Amino acid sequence: SQQGEEDPQALSIQEGENATMNCSYKTSINNLQWYRQNSGRGLVHLILIRSNEREKHSGRLRVTLDTSKKSSSLLITASRAADTASYFCATDAGSGGSNYKLTFGKGTLLTVNP
Amino acid sequence: NAGVTQTPKFQVLKTGQSMTLQCAQDMNHEYMSWYRQDPGMGLRLIHYSVGAGITDQGEVPNGYNVSRSTTEDFPLRLLSAAPSQTSVYFCASSSGGPSNQPQHFGDGTRLSIL
Repeated sequence: SQQGEEDPQALSIQEGENATMNCSYKTSINNLQWYRQNSGRGLVHLILIRSNEREKHSGRLRVTLDTSKKSSSLLITASRAADTASYFCATDAGSGGSNYKLTFGKGTLLTVNP
Repeated sequence: NAGVTQTPKFQVLKTGQSMTLQCAQDMNHEYMSWYRQDPGMGLRLIHYSVGAGITDQGEVPNGYNVSRSTTEDFPLRLLSAAPSQTSVYFCASSSGGPSNQPQHFGDGTRLSIL
């Protein structure tokens, strides 16, 4: 089934550094989303990028999408300890599939050390 | 502003027991869904609903039942619990299809089947 896969599985950085996470998927999509999950909590939506967009910004977040490579990246600039969380990409099934099903990757665990 | 509320937060069951996981949202969202999250597996869609009276299966529906009698509530029923159903269960809602709209997640129910 359609699935995004995040890379790396885990990332440890120092406060103030930038963090980059990648997501690859298998078939065409309409939209791709990124979510954050703090330990013991539910997922929180970060950003949605459409297939006709190449880059999107939200605060310290920058998301890129390369549909030719079927990949996306999430960049967090000037990281803070509070950014410590797992990050997931979520993809839909594209124009030929259901608008009602999202597929989540396995996530990247980001640790930001003070 | 409660958002998505899941109860209980923790539950331990014996094999063969049945139970209902509750999910309620106060945002008047039409779309609601249930996921399970297992270590190393990401989130997998169990069932979803596009409105009151309408439900459909996700990726891993076996062993689970759902119904949607009101816009606000979307309970998940385990008919005869099995150890393989030990997981963290998340309920989510959105104002439209999840491909186009941010999903709002509850904080999960941690379920152990002995």
